[in-house]
Amino acid sequence: NAGVTQTPKFQVLKTGQSMTLQCAQDMNHNSMYWYRQDPGMGLRLIYYSASEGTTDKGEVPNGYNVSRLNKREFSLRLESAAPSQTSVYFCASSTQKWTGGAEQYFGPGTRLTVT
Amino acid sequence: GENVEQHPSTLSVQEGDSAVIKCTYSDSASNYFPWYKQELGKRPQLIIDIRSNVGEKKDQRIAVTLNKTAKHFSLHITETQPEDSAVYFCAASMGTGANNLFFGTGTRLTVIP
Repeated sequence: NAGVTQTPKFQVLKTGQSMTLQCAQDMNHNSMYWYRQDPGMGLRLIYYSASEGTTDKGEVPNGYNVSRLNKREFSLRLESAAPSQTSVYFCASSTQKWTGGAEQYFGPGTRLTVT
Repeated sequence: GENVEQHPSTLSVQEGDSAVIKCTYSDSASNYFPWYKQELGKRPQLIIDIRSNVGEKKDQRIAVTLNKTAKHFSLHITETQPEDSAVYFCAASMGTGANNLFFGTGTRLTVIP
């Protein structure tokens, strides 16, 4: 099993450009997440999908959109990139447990620079 | 929403000494508390977790303790080794819906040989 995969690994954008970050998991997990990681700020949740067909905003959703394409795939789109969106982006997935939390498995990350 | 605070932000210890990282959370409904280790340039990986019905859990040199009354939990690493050097994140989850995790800001642990 590949676990959680992300593409691309690195990306440089100019201000105003758009792009989509791709994420896929092969663990049959219901829930998927997008985080951004900035120095000194930990991991902040951008959007999440509790199950196929649903998406919800997290802590820092402004400037982003998501699509849960199917159970395996969850994409993150930047419509008009800004320098403030320079960050490392992680996708994660987990089983959905209604009686308690569950481990989240992370992808390798995408390092995005917006100039 | 949940707020997780983590201390210290940096920690240096001599090889063989113990390291302790502490976190507090705000929402009394939180019931799942994982710890992640992130090596430089790598993805976060779970090292240990604890649920609210347990006060302590141990896995070899790593242990986590939870005080629900005080709303704080701690990671203890004994007999530290250079390969323990990494950034450690605590997190808390309410265990409902999508099991969203709220992360602390991380502790950079350096083990000096």
